[in-house]
Amino acid sequence: EDKVVQSPLSLVVHEGDTVTLNCSYEVTNFRSLLWYKQEKKAPTFLFMLTSSGIEKKSGRLSSILDKKELSSILNITATQTGDSAIYLCAVEESYKYIFGTGTRLKVLA
Amino acid sequence: SAVISQKPSRDICQRGTSLTIQCQVDSQVTMMFWYRQQPGQSLTLIATANQGSEATYESGFVIDKFPISRPNLTFSTLTVSNMSPEDSSIYLCSFRGTEGLAQYFGPGTRLLVL
Repeated sequence: EDKVVQSPLSLVVHEGDTVTLNCSYEVTNFRSLLWYKQEKKAPTFLFMLTSSGIEKKSGRLSSILDKKELSSILNITATQTGDSAIYLCAVEESYKYIFGTGTRLKVLA
Repeated sequence: SAVISQKPSRDICQRGTSLTIQCQVDSQVTMMFWYRQQPGQSLTLIATANQGSEATYESGFVIDKFPISRPNLTFSTLTVSNMSPEDSSIYLCSFRGTEGLAQYFGPGTRLLVL
C-alpha cells in the first residue's frame, strides 16, 4: 500500500532556530513531491520536487529530494513565530496525491 | 496563477441534513479534486471530479454519500448527504495548476454537524 510518513509529528523551537522536517514515501510510480504549509484551513503550496528538480529554495525555506532514499527534507532557517503551522508533504502517484501525516511546528518568541 | 474560491467557508448543520459545497476556479482546469480533513488528521482524497462524466471515488467513499458535480472546467460541487457528527471536517477542493503538476487548494469549508 502506498504511504507517506512525516517526522517528527510535532516540534517546538525558539525563534532563530533551524529546523529540518522529514518526509519518506513508498509509492509505486513516483512523479513528484509537494510541500505545503497549513495555518488555518487551506494548505499553501511551498515547493514541488521532481526527478528533474530535486532542490528548491525560497528565502529561509529550502527542500531537497533524495530519490535513492525515497525521502525529502524541508529546512527552515532563522525560524520566526509566523512559521508556526502544520507542514504537509504530498507525493504524486499516477494522477493523484497521497498526503503525509504532517509535522506541527510551533515557534516560540 | 488561477484563483480558487469555495463556499460556504463554514457551516453548522443538523444531523440527517445535506450540505452542498461549491468550488469555483477563475480559469479552466482539467483536474479538480475534493479532500476531507478530519480533526487532527491529514488530508484524505474523496474523489476526482471529472468534467462531463462521473467522479472517480477513492476507497471508502461512495457517490450516494458524497455526490459530486462538474458541469464545466471551472466549477464543481460536493454534497455531503445525510450528515452525521462523524462528517464534521474541513472539506477542501483543489486543482492541478497549469505550471507543471503542482496542486492548489481552495480556502476550505469547515463543517460542524450536531
